Amino acid sequence: GQQVMQIPQYQHVQEGEDFTTYCNSSTTLSNIQWYKQRPGGHPVFLIQLVKSGEVKKQKRLTFQFGEAKKNSSLHITATQTTDVGTYFCAGLSSGAGSYQLTFGKGTKLSVIP
Amino acid sequence: NAGVTQTPKFQVLKTGQSMTLQCAQDMNHEYMSWYRQDPGMGLRLIHYSVGAGITDQGEVPNGYNVSRSTTEDFPLRLLSAAPSQTSVYFCASSYRGRDSPLHFGNGTRLTVT
Repeated sequence: GQQVMQIPQYQHVQEGEDFTTYCNSSTTLSNIQWYKQRPGGHPVFLIQLVKSGEVKKQKRLTFQFGEAKKNSSLHITATQTTDVGTYFCAGLSSGAGSYQLTFGKGTKLSVIP
Repeated sequence: NAGVTQTPKFQVLKTGQSMTLQCAQDMNHEYMSWYRQDPGMGLRLIHYSVGAGITDQGEVPNGYNVSRSTTEDFPLRLLSAAPSQTSVYFCASSYRGRDSPLHFGNGTRLTVT
């Protein structure tokens, strides 16, 4: 079945440093979604990428979808303590008339003030 | 606008007991789903529904039942609780299906002793 690998599993950064998490799929994706989960909270949708090579920005967050639509990344510039949480990617693949959305295991970000 | 509402927030069960986790959404979303979240495992799909009267199995369906009699409600039933079902359960809905952003409830933390 489809596998979505996300690295790193954990990342500790000093406040102000940059942060990147990577997502790799074993199959070509129809789209990829990114979610953020604060400690003790629930996942909250951040963005969806659909097109090959797509780049989207949300303030200090930059999301990229690879040319082959098998990988994606989330980059945070100048992290702040409000960025703390776990970031999940979720890849959507289609086949045999059905869709499968597979979540990566997430990257847990800690920001040291 | 409440979004996705889950009850209860916390539950402790003894092995063999049964219970129902409730999920309701007021966004008129056709797609609803249940995930479980375990440490280091990410989010795994238990069951999903693409509309009232239609349900299907996800990645980890064993030990769980669902029904969808209305658009708004999607309860998850544990038939005979086992310690392996200790987890955090999230209900999620979306407008169109898995290619649309998921809206998650606040979660139910279940412990089976």
